[in-house]
Amino acid sequence: GAVVSQHPSWVICKSGTSVKIECRSLDFQATTMFWYRQFPKQSLMLMATSNEGSKATYEQGVEKDKFLINHASLTLSTLTVTSAHPEDSSFYICSATTRGPTDTQYFGPGTRLTVL
Amino acid sequence: QKEVEQNSGPLSVPEGAIASLNCTYSDRVSQSFFWYRQYSGKSPELIMSIYSNGDKEDGRFTAQLNKASQYVSLLIRDSQPSDSATYLCAPAGAGGTSYGKLTFGQGTILTVHP
Repeated sequence: GAVVSQHPSWVICKSGTSVKIECRSLDFQATTMFWYRQFPKQSLMLMATSNEGSKATYEQGVEKDKFLINHASLTLSTLTVTSAHPEDSSFYICSATTRGPTDTQYFGPGTRLTVL
Repeated sequence: QKEVEQNSGPLSVPEGAIASLNCTYSDRVSQSFFWYRQYSGKSPELIMSIYSNGDKEDGRFTAQLNKASQYVSLLIRDSQPSDSATYLCAPAGAGGTSYGKLTFGQGTILTVHP
């Protein structure tokens, strides 16, 4: 149980284009999903908290107009990286909780984004 | 002071030995603590969660929590080469804008050699 999927698993795009990453909870309803970014040899950094049916809450320093998050249903949250640049190249990982924000977070497999 | 500090390692232990991973945290009100394992190039996977002071055992893994000392540890008994990974300590925020958010340590790289 508590399986989270992400799509795509990797993506390569040109600078200036937008990329959408999907995060799905496959066997449970996730009222809260989190989006993280991880650069090589660094730990995970929380980007935003996404609650179904409401606006995402972004961490300090994360541009909300650049990283658009939509949590339209209890099983799906999307992250769109708009006007991507090479410095956005990173490993993007989502997580979901089964009951609420303080519950265990289960992580998706991650999406590796490379911006050329 | 970092919010979450882990012994960075790398920690190298022989197969069959006990690996001891340590973590201290600064948020005194944290109530939930998680240990994740991350293989290179992969996302974290949950190893243990612990909420109360004391020990919690799950198979070869034992988590220990001491809230007064703001300390949490993970012991891996009978270490196997497949345990070689980065181990992440993550307390969850308990109030205010930190509610439910995990703060990750920099991770401890564990290598189990045959």
